[in-house]
Amino acid sequence: SQQGEEDPQALSIQEGENATMNCSYKTSINNLQWYRQNSGRGLVHLILIRSNEREKHSGRLRVTLDTSKKSSSLLITASRAADTASYFCATDEGRTYKYIFGTGTRLKVLA
Amino acid sequence: DADVTQTPRNRITKTGKRIMLECSQTKGHDRMYWYRQDPGLGLRLIYYSFDVKDINKGEISDGYSVSRQAQAKFSLSLESAIPNQTALYFCATSEGNRGNNEQFFGPGTRLTVL
Repeated sequence: SQQGEEDPQALSIQEGENATMNCSYKTSINNLQWYRQNSGRGLVHLILIRSNEREKHSGRLRVTLDTSKKSSSLLITASRAADTASYFCATDEGRTYKYIFGTGTRLKVLA
Repeated sequence: DADVTQTPRNRITKTGKRIMLECSQTKGHDRMYWYRQDPGLGLRLIYYSFDVKDINKGEISDGYSVSRQAQAKFSLSLESAIPNQTALYFCATSEGNRGNNEQFFGPGTRLTVL
C-alpha cells in the first residue's frame, strides 16, 4: 500500500493564487520529501524536511510537517502557469531509507 | 550531460519477450532504485540497491529482476513481459549518508507490452 497519500488528487487555480496540497503517511519517518513531475518526465526534488523540523521554506515553497498527525503540507505561493505539474510526497517507510511515493496531486495553474 | 541516463527511452515489445532496461549514473551515488509509474497510481518501488553487493525487493518485484553490475549501473529485466507491465519506468539514485536522501531521477523509459 502507498505510504504517502496526497490530497487533493487534482487542483485547478488561477495564476497568482496560492496552492496547498497535503500528504498523509502511516509509519515513522526520518524525513519527508516533495517532488515535482512535469507530464511524462522524471521527478525533480523540491524540498526535504526532517522529522525534527516543523516548517521549511525554499523560494515560493513552504512545507510543514506534523509528525503527531503523520501529515505534511506543501504550499506554493503566487503560483505561475509554469507550476502546472504533478506533485508527490515521498517518505522513508519505517526509517529504512527506501522511499515510498504517494499518488500525487495534479496542479493546474490557469493563466 | 545528464547525470542519470536510461536506455532505451521507448520500447514496444510482445508478450513473452525478455526485456532489459538500463540505467547509468555519473553522480557517484551508492544507492539506486527502479520504479514504475502507472496513470493515477504514482510511483511504486520495484527494486533498490544500496551498494554493488546489495539488492532488495520493493513493493512490486514479482516478474522483475535486477543486476547491479557496478556502482554506476543498475539494470532491470522483465524475464517474460506481460501486458500489465506496460508502464513508465524510472531509475533514481541517492547518496548513502543519512542526512541527504534526495533522489535524482532519470528521464524514464516508456515500455509497451503488446
